[in-house]
Amino acid sequence: IAGITQAPTSQILAAGRRMTLRCTQDMRHNAMYWYRQDLGLGLRLIHYSNTAGTTGKGEVPDGYSVSRANTDDFPLTLASAVPSQTSVYFCASSIGQGINTGELFFGEGSRLTVL
Amino acid sequence: AQSVTQLGSHVSVSEGALVLLRCNYSSSVPPYLFWYVQYPNQGLQLLLKYTTGATLVKGINGFEAEFKKSETSFHLTKPSAHMSDAAEYFCAVRHNYGQNFVFGPGTRLSVLP
Repeated sequence: IAGITQAPTSQILAAGRRMTLRCTQDMRHNAMYWYRQDLGLGLRLIHYSNTAGTTGKGEVPDGYSVSRANTDDFPLTLASAVPSQTSVYFCASSIGQGINTGELFFGEGSRLTVL
Repeated sequence: AQSVTQLGSHVSVSEGALVLLRCNYSSSVPPYLFWYVQYPNQGLQLLLKYTTGATLVKGINGFEAEFKKSETSFHLTKPSAHMSDAAEYFCAVRHNYGQNFVFGPGTRLSVLP
């Protein structure tokens, strides 16, 4: 059972370059999320999607964009990377919003370094 | 706005000793509560969760947590620490409708031989 697959696992990127982090889930979950994890700050929500075709902004959305063309895929794009975007990025999913509140399932993370 | 606090960014215990990791939340309505564990260079895994019903919930690896509404707390405990418990632990809350998960800053647990 794959669950959530993220790619790449690690990347070094020059400032100003465009980068897309990929995320795919095979659990048919409605909701998907992107978090960044930074030392001392815990996990902060970047963007989320409650269902295919919809997206929303989280706590720290600036400099990032997402799309949700189908249920399984939720790519995160950095249009022009800056050093402050150096972080570990986690994709997650849950069954969905509402009464049927499920827990988050996480990918293994993508470590991004912007020089 | 919801918030989650975890007292102690780093907790050290001896192998075999009691583990107590504290979590308090701010919320006007009872939330859903979660504890996650993160081992080095891995994603987060669910330890346990409280949604409704019994306030004492049991999770994997011998961990349990008790929801105390009056104290707005959801502390995580384990009677006897094992070396393999060394990891980062995150408390998280979520409400029913239209709300996303909010995570605490995490507590790193070290287990000393």
